[in-house]
Amino acid sequence: AQKITQTQPGMFVQEKEAVTLDCTYDTSDPSYGLFWYKQPSSGEMIFLIYQGSYDQQNATEGRYSLNFQKARKSANLVISASQLGDSAMYFCAGTFSNDYKLSFGAGTTVTVRA
Amino acid sequence: GAVVSQHPSWVICKSGTSVKIECRSLDFQATTMFWYRQFPKQSLMLMATSNEGSKATYEQGVEKDKFLINHASLTLSTLTVTSAHPEDSSFYICSAQRNAAETQYFGPGTRLLVL
Repeated sequence: AQKITQTQPGMFVQEKEAVTLDCTYDTSDPSYGLFWYKQPSSGEMIFLIYQGSYDQQNATEGRYSLNFQKARKSANLVISASQLGDSAMYFCAGTFSNDYKLSFGAGTTVTVRA
Repeated sequence: GAVVSQHPSWVICKSGTSVKIECRSLDFQATTMFWYRQFPKQSLMLMATSNEGSKATYEQGVEKDKFLINHASLTLSTLTVTSAHPEDSSFYICSAQRNAAETQYFGPGTRLLVL
């Protein structure tokens, strides 16, 4: 079974600094997609960034970038220039084997300090 | 585009009553909708997948007679928690997908409290 692992339950980061959130996945499928979502205290799930297994370049979206290391099966999220509004829970998720179901990691709570 | 709404956003009910939650894709047609459940500080757990016009597919351990899902149109899916009990109190989130090749768009969630 495919699995997404996030090993950091919580992290603190100083405002304006960068933070890296770890995500590893376990699959033998050649085709898969990896996602990062942000969930603030309001509960809504906000899509941040997507990386396909065949994508040659690391995905970037504004202050978010995905450090995709295929051989290590990792897809870490980097948030640059952290802002107070970045405080939230962050989930790594994946779709595997042409299955449209999303498998979620346990999540990482990020707290940005002023 | 790709906006998904849920109604209600909050519901408090007495034990034994049934609660219906609606999930709507506002600006696109969703061939597939998903229902998740989330307990505080935990991850999302997929409950079921529903395709328009067909029966929902439930994940292992989810009681289909307890959580009734109807996907009557390409823009509406409903989740009914039947005979709700306090242990059903949770955050329920739906998502919608145009097709299998696209990402899922999430609704804002519904907080259910059963007294």
